Amino acid sequence: GENVEQHPSTLSVQEGDSAVIKCTYSDSASNYFPWYKQELGKRPQLIIDIRSNVGEKKDQRIAVTLNKTAKHFSLHITETQPEDSAVYFCAASNYGNNRLAFGKGNQVVVIP
Amino acid sequence: EPEVTQTPSHQVTQMGQEVILRCVPISNHLYFYWYRQILGQKVEFLVSFYNNEISEKSEIFDDQFSVERPDGSNFTLKIRSTKLEDSAMYFCASTQSAPNEKLFFGSGTQLSVL
Repeated sequence: GENVEQHPSTLSVQEGDSAVIKCTYSDSASNYFPWYKQELGKRPQLIIDIRSNVGEKKDQRIAVTLNKTAKHFSLHITETQPEDSAVYFCAASNYGNNRLAFGKGNQVVVIP
Repeated sequence: EPEVTQTPSHQVTQMGQEVILRCVPISNHLYFYWYRQILGQKVEFLVSFYNNEISEKSEIFDDQFSVERPDGSNFTLKIRSTKLEDSAMYFCASTQSAPNEKLFFGSGTQLSVL
């Protein structure tokens, strides 16, 4: 089955700087890649997703890039703010199944 | 904004006891899921449910687990005889459109098996 790995496990950035989280996946058939944000004590919430037919997607300060050849995708957060502090999960799936394979999560800490 | 609701938020049980975790998915959603997260580990898929039947289940979802949608609103996960290793945060999720896409998660039930 699909295996998703995230790097680094913890990331600290100064407020205003950019944060980048990288994920790799193993199954070349995967074609849907969402990112979820989980603040302390709250539920995971979808922040952005990308399908395999595009290489990049942007939504305000958040962007996701996908490299199908290398089987990795990344989350980019620009102009970080304290409210960006959370655990971020990447995931992968394909239309042939009904499950998301999640990475282990990255703790992002934005230092004011 | 509509939310997936889960009850209880915390559940403590003795090993070997049965537990039922309850979820109310968003009302116009068609696909329902249970995931779990053992402390410090990945979020793991348990089961997906569509059109009143299981559409897929993981190797974790053995005979001790079952799901049910007893009425038009509730979606339950039952563990018949809990083990210590069942201790985890259990998340219910639902989606309106295609499977897996734009999942809405509940706030979770923290299950502790003693």
